[in-house]
Amino acid sequence: EVVLTQSPGTLSLSPGERATLSCRASQFVNNNYLAWYQQKPGQTPRLLIYGTSNRATGIPDRFSGSGSGTDFTLTISRLEPEDFGVYYCQQYNSSPVWTFGQGTKVEIK
Amino acid sequence: QVQLVQSGVEVKKPGASVKVSCEASGYTFTSYTIIWVRQAPGQGLEWMGWISGYNGNTNYARNLQGRVTMATDTSTSTAFMELRGLRYDDTAVYYCARVRGGYYYYIDVWGNGTTVTVSS
Repeated sequence: EVVLTQSPGTLSLSPGERATLSCRASQFVNNNYLAWYQQKPGQTPRLLIYGTSNRATGIPDRFSGSGSGTDFTLTISRLEPEDFGVYYCQQYNSSPVWTFGQGTKVEIK
Repeated sequence: QVQLVQSGVEVKKPGASVKVSCEASGYTFTSYTIIWVRQAPGQGLEWMGWISGYNGNTNYARNLQGRVTMATDTSTSTAFMELRGLRYDDTAVYYCARVRGGYYYYIDVWGNGTTVTVSS
């Protein structure tokens, strides 16, 4: 089973700063099967990025994804106050099994 | 628009069973897979399993096999998840979600969530 480890656990940054979130897999992940979600308190998760680097509909271009193999990154180029929340990476493999990372909490200073 | 509407809050005793429904609308139910995900209080997302809307094929998370059953009723475009032998640590919000598969695999639509509390 693929384990996804996200770091850091918490990121505390000011508006306008750059946020870099990491997602490391225990085994190779197909780029097409790696996605990122944002979840705010009391809300359902929202798709941000699919296929490692494709922004979902309506997602601002300050969000970008990159990576390959076992190392993936979500970058928020200039943090906005509404970007607070918990961010999860997710992978699918052909077992077929889905797994989520444990999440990175983004706090706005 | 595409929606997944789930059944309401459940409170169950340890050892009981719970069945959560997820009614789909706005798309062709049989063309997509439904995935179930749960989230314990203050915790992350846990994949539980999936069911094909096309043929009812299922795949369950290893830690839930033997306790979980997923099913669909294509006549009403509804998916169901039943969890048996409830334990305190099954207390969570349970989500159904639609899978976009093929070239990419990701979740594009989430249900509104069903809170299940296991309490004596």
